[in-house]
Amino acid sequence: DSGVTQTPKHLITATGQRVTLRCSPRSGDLSVYWYQQSLDQGLQFLIQYYNGEERAKGNILERFSAQQFPDLHSELNLSSLELGDSALYFCASSPGTAFYGYTFGSGTRLTVV
Amino acid sequence: DQQVKQNSPSLSVQEGRISILNCDYTNSMFDYFLWYKKYPAEGPTFLISISSIKDKNEDGRFTVFLNKSAKHLSLHIVPSQPGDSAVYFCAASAAGAGSYQLTFGKGTKLSVIP
Repeated sequence: DSGVTQTPKHLITATGQRVTLRCSPRSGDLSVYWYQQSLDQGLQFLIQYYNGEERAKGNILERFSAQQFPDLHSELNLSSLELGDSALYFCASSPGTAFYGYTFGSGTRLTVV
Repeated sequence: DQQVKQNSPSLSVQEGRISILNCDYTNSMFDYFLWYKKYPAEGPTFLISISSIKDKNEDGRFTVFLNKSAKHLSLHIVPSQPGDSAVYFCAASAAGAGSYQLTFGKGTKLSVIP
């Protein structure tokens, strides 16, 4: 158990729908990062939050949004889903004050049918 | 535009021998490099890292080498064990950007044969 909790582990939904992925960071970590891993692709950075505020944005589609709440958990919202959004979505956390690498959760596998 | 490249999708090594995984990068702003290991159905696990001010970092059986002039890094595993069989991701960060977002390669699947 890495200490980073992601729910749900699996999600199957139809095109056009909206889903919410949830992440609870490791205790004490202030930064949360979201990554997407599509088939045959490396992990692609989507967005980072630090202590409730957006810190950096990567290749995140306009149909996707995220937020970090006062208790530091984060949610990634994916809307108007397309087949190509099927992927593994990973959340990671770090202390935020120094960088020694992230701790990743086990991911949410999203399948859009 | 792939800024971090792992050109070998897979590698097979005999147990007890050395495994060498390679990674190339193009962005000269990268100043921190990491290797992650990933087993199926699990998230990536941090393995070892190296700052751009060093050219070598060692942790037990794992050593990472950095050649800044060639923009190349490698991970050596000696001796290789069956439990090392996993996908290995190289990642890089431009920490000076203040975000610590990582740019990952596509991974190399290592198979250690008993």
